[in-house]
Amino acid sequence: DTAVSQTPKYLVTQMGNDKSIKCEQNLGHDTMYWYKQDSKKFLKIMFSYNNKELIINETVPNRFSPKSPDKAHLNLHINSLELGDSAVYFCASSLDSASYNEQFFGPGTRLTVL
Amino acid sequence: GNSVTQMEGPVTLSEEAFLTINCTYTATGYPSLFWYVQYPGEGLQLLLKATKADDKGSNKGFEATYRKETTSFHLEKGSVQVSDSAVYFCALSDGGGSWGKLQFGAGTQVVVTP
Repeated sequence: DTAVSQTPKYLVTQMGNDKSIKCEQNLGHDTMYWYKQDSKKFLKIMFSYNNKELIINETVPNRFSPKSPDKAHLNLHINSLELGDSAVYFCASSLDSASYNEQFFGPGTRLTVL
Repeated sequence: GNSVTQMEGPVTLSEEAFLTINCTYTATGYPSLFWYVQYPGEGLQLLLKATKADDKGSNKGFEATYRKETTSFHLEKGSVQVSDSAVYFCALSDGGGSWGKLQFGAGTQVVVTP
């Protein structure tokens, strides 16, 4: 069974559209994350939720809005998509927010904005 | 602020060669250190970790030792296989209120040829 799953795997859309990416984990973890990987493979944290509460909110345009309906799900909604939003977005989860915990990553969602 | 610097790739090796990927870090506290691996088209997975000075992480023939005096966490493997071809990321998570946030190096692509 997949531990951290994301949908969709690929997303191609036009500039100005609004889109969502969904993430689910079946590991019973308390903490979930969104990371963005750019075309040069550089990874950067965007958001983190611990038990449905936002605990990390990096310098991300407010067009990006995460939502955690329960601790097993973390979704990412993006308004008014721009060319620069094209990237691979990874969801991850960990047992809790302690720094020594392993994070389990989903397979990624490749977003292409045309 | 915290940062991770790792050697640029791509690193191209023949099968059974020795692999070293250098990683150094800057952190204000006492971070946990990680190596994650990303195989083509997949999400990241933990390769090994170390949570305090002089700890050695090891997995699948890979090793790295947390060296506080040189702020380093170099990855080594004695004999690589074609299946080790991937992108390797060094990362840290600082315990001081980081809420588990991972800060990644730029990634090093490793290509192993038969």
